[in-house]
Amino acid sequence: LAKTTQPISMDSYEGQEVNITCSHNNIATNDYITWYQQFPSQGPRFIIQGYKTKVTNEVASLFIPADRKSSTLSLPRVSLSDTAVYYCLVGDMFVAGNNRKLIWGLGTSLAVNP
Amino acid sequence: EAGVVQSPRYKIIEKKQPVAFWCNPISGHNTLYWYLQNLGQGPELLIRYENEEAVDDSQLPKDRFSAERLKGVDSTLKIQPAELGDSAVYLCASSLDLGAGVGNEQFFGPGTRLTVL
Repeated sequence: LAKTTQPISMDSYEGQEVNITCSHNNIATNDYITWYQQFPSQGPRFIIQGYKTKVTNEVASLFIPADRKSSTLSLPRVSLSDTAVYYCLVGDMFVAGNNRKLIWGLGTSLAVNP
Repeated sequence: EAGVVQSPRYKIIEKKQPVAFWCNPISGHNTLYWYLQNLGQGPELLIRYENEEAVDDSQLPKDRFSAERLKGVDSTLKIQPAELGDSAVYLCASSLDLGAGVGNEQFFGPGTRLTVL
C-alpha cells in the first residue's frame, strides 16, 4: 500500500500561490493521485486527480514528475476561504473489490492569512 | 442535485448504549463508504459497499459495529454497545464508479458527531 507524507501545516497570505507537496515513494504502477479538501465540520471534498505530468481544473493544478514518487498541489491566488486541511491519497482506481485501498494520512492544514 | 445526506448530525449517548447512523447516498451511486474520523486525523475506512455487497469490511470492529445497505441504496451503521473511544465523527461517502477508474470521486456527507459519555 502506498503511504503518503505531507507537511503537517502551512501558512500563506491572500493572493499568493500555494504549493503543497506530497511524497509517495512506493507508488504502484496502477495508482492514481487524488487530493481532497476538508473544512471544519464538513466532509472532505474532491479537488483534483491525476496519474502523470500535469492536470489542471478550475480550482487547482496537480504536478506529477516522471518518477511519480511525489506530487504537488498548486492553488493559485489563495483567499481566506481556502483555509482548510488538504489530503493527498494514492490508490489503484481500477481494481474493484477488496483490492482497492485508499489510505488517508494526516493531511496538510493550510492557514491563509489576510 | 442533493448531496449525501446523513442523520443525525450530532448524537450524545452514555457508554454501553446502542447508537445508529443513517446515510442516503447520491442517487445512482453504487459505491458507499463509512469512515471514522478522529480530531486532527484523516478519515479511516470502516466499510465499503458496492451496491448491496460489503466488499471491504476489514477495518470494521465486528464485535460491536455492524452495517447494512439494503437494496443497495440507504445504509445504516450501528454500534452496540458504544465505548468511550468511539467518540468521533462518522462520515458517509458515495461514488458513481463506472469502472476503469471513471467516476471514483467520493462525495461526502457532513458527518455525524458522536460523543460517548
